[in-house]
Amino acid sequence: AQKVTQAQTEISVVEKEDVTLDCVYETRDTTYYLFWYKQPPSGELVFLIRRNSFDEQNEISGRYSWNFQKSTSSFNFTITASQVVDSAVYFCALSEGRAGSYQLTFGKGTKLSVIP
Amino acid sequence: DTGVSQDPRHKITKRGQNVTFRCDPISEHNRLYWYRQTLGQGPEFLTYFQNEAQLEKSRLLSDRFSAERPKGSFSTLEIQRTEQGDSAMYLCASSPGLRTDTQYFGPGTRLTVL
Repeated sequence: AQKVTQAQTEISVVEKEDVTLDCVYETRDTTYYLFWYKQPPSGELVFLIRRNSFDEQNEISGRYSWNFQKSTSSFNFTITASQVVDSAVYFCALSEGRAGSYQLTFGKGTKLSVIP
Repeated sequence: DTGVSQDPRHKITKRGQNVTFRCDPISEHNRLYWYRQTLGQGPEFLTYFQNEAQLEKSRLLSDRFSAERPKGSFSTLEIQRTEQGDSAMYLCASSPGLRTDTQYFGPGTRLTVL
């Protein structure tokens, strides 16, 4: 069975600090997809990134970067120079690649508070 | 291009009443998903449609829950004889139906059962 662990329940940082959100996953499939979503106080889940299991290249998008390491089953998310607008709950999720629903299995989320 | 919409956004009901939620997916998205999110937890999968066919249901979906997607467009999720444990955020997501899908979520319906 697939599982996603986000060990950090809450993190507080001061504006302009860098912060890394950890994500560790478990799956028996060799083909799978990893996601990060942002859930601001309004409640809507906002898609940030998708990675497939065959692509271990790290990715950078503006102030956001993602580090995917299959050897440690981790898919960590770093926000550089954090801003107050980054305050939200961030979810890591996993979808297995076998034929089927591609349902997402989510971690419990990490609540990030950026203090001005 | 409009996103996923859900109605109502909030619903307060008394225990034992039936409630129905609606989800309108992104236009031309073949797949539609329902998830449930309780406080402090990540969303949990409930059920999934490919066009109008309901292809997978979680064991979380008790027999009091029923979902439909007539004509493969909007979907409804009905909860009969609501219980206080049903209080949660109900999230709908849609995806194009390609192999490497990304699910896009609606704003959710927050249900409170008194």
